[in-house]
Amino acid sequence: AQSVSQHNHHVILSEAASLELGCNYSYGGTVNLFWYVQYPGQHLQLLLKYFSGDPLVKGIKGFEAEFIKSKFSFNLRKPSVQWSDTAEYFCAVILFSGGYNKLIFGAGTRLAVHP
Amino acid sequence: GAVVSQHPSWVICKSGTSVKIECRSLDFQATTMFWYRQFPKQSLMLMATSNEGSKATYEQGVEKDKFLINHASLTLSTLTVTSAHPEDSSFYICSARDPGTSGSPDTQYFGPGTRLTVL
Repeated sequence: AQSVSQHNHHVILSEAASLELGCNYSYGGTVNLFWYVQYPGQHLQLLLKYFSGDPLVKGIKGFEAEFIKSKFSFNLRKPSVQWSDTAEYFCAVILFSGGYNKLIFGAGTRLAVHP
Repeated sequence: GAVVSQHPSWVICKSGTSVKIECRSLDFQATTMFWYRQFPKQSLMLMATSNEGSKATYEQGVEKDKFLINHASLTLSTLTVTSAHPEDSSFYICSARDPGTSGSPDTQYFGPGTRLTVL
């Protein structure tokens, strides 16, 4: 079955540290890839997305992600985190299957940034 | 970006009653909406795909007679939890697919969620 794996469930960083959150998917077909963020008490917001073209995509708030097809990975990065980045991050994949598209989420990574 | 609203944001009901949750796309027309369920500290689980003017497509293990979905217009989908029980208590989130520009793959925008507590 198709799945999305996020390797880190909890990450704790100090401000200005670099961030990399791992995401791997298991599906050999065409995929579109997303990272969503859920700040405390708020709804899911789109950080960035990859559909095609340049595998290094830049999103909002200084985040970027790199699609490596050979590794089935789409890791999220930020060179210097801020306290306001404290949130839960979800990797998601749209699978094109059976005439309609389905968004599959990873389990999420809870990031805590300390001042 | 596109805005999706949900109403109510939270609801408490007695066991055996039915609860209706609304999902609206405010500034775009959504031919497809999705309903998810999120358990505490867990990811979103897709329950069903709601297509305007047709029957919803339910994921395996989701009871369609218990979770009634209606997508009567291009901006509104409703989820009705019928004969709710305490185990139905959860956070229900909808999303709406923005078709985007021609030739561009679509993106889902999420509502703020509805917290249902069944006593």
